[in-house]
Amino acid sequence: DQQVKQNSPSLSVQEGRISILNCDYTNSMFDYFLWYKKYPAEGPTFLISISSIKDKNEDGRFTVFLNKSAKHLSLHIVPSQPGDSAVYFCAASGASGGSNYKLTFGKGTLLTVNP
Amino acid sequence: GAVVSQHPSWVICKSGTSVKIECRSLDFQATTMFWYRQFPKQSLMLMATSNEGSKATYEQGVEKDKFLINHASLTLSTLTVTSAHPEDSSFYICSATGQAANTEAFFGQGTRLTVV
Repeated sequence: DQQVKQNSPSLSVQEGRISILNCDYTNSMFDYFLWYKKYPAEGPTFLISISSIKDKNEDGRFTVFLNKSAKHLSLHIVPSQPGDSAVYFCAASGASGGSNYKLTFGKGTLLTVNP
Repeated sequence: GAVVSQHPSWVICKSGTSVKIECRSLDFQATTMFWYRQFPKQSLMLMATSNEGSKATYEQGVEKDKFLINHASLTLSTLTVTSAHPEDSSFYICSATGQAANTEAFFGQGTRLTVV
């Protein structure tokens, strides 16, 4: 049962345009959401996060939007750069289980930014 | 950000042997460490959660006798794949968090294990 879903396995955009990566979740206990960027054969690196008490968090070119009622979040990258090309993972954690940061990951979306 | 170092980055071993992977937090005290594995084109799957000084909590379907986890200090956790088989070949990644609430988990660079 996939609790965190990234339905687009890949996305291709032109340099300078906006990249929008989507993520849906099913577990209403999730209250903290993160986006990670991963290059091949490397560990994920943290990008941006959002708590369920917010609906938007912005950090430079990266903005994450959270729609709790729809159980949906998205990552916007603008303007997109070729160096942004990587796999992006959406992850979620919740207070249940008593273990902070037990992250549940989506399958990832491969973003390709074309020059 | 904080640094988590994972070693080795890749290892090839013979079937039946054991392999130890280390995960170290270099500049913070990691009260909790997580071990994940990733198959190609799949998401990171949590294998187990370990807290310093206590036994690891394994996810359903993960054999605790096969994947031995030790978290003896606040800066080091190890995962030992015992009696490795080709189907254990995968990408293993650790992550670590400190005590502060609502901070991101920091990941090691991962270990590519190939069992031949």
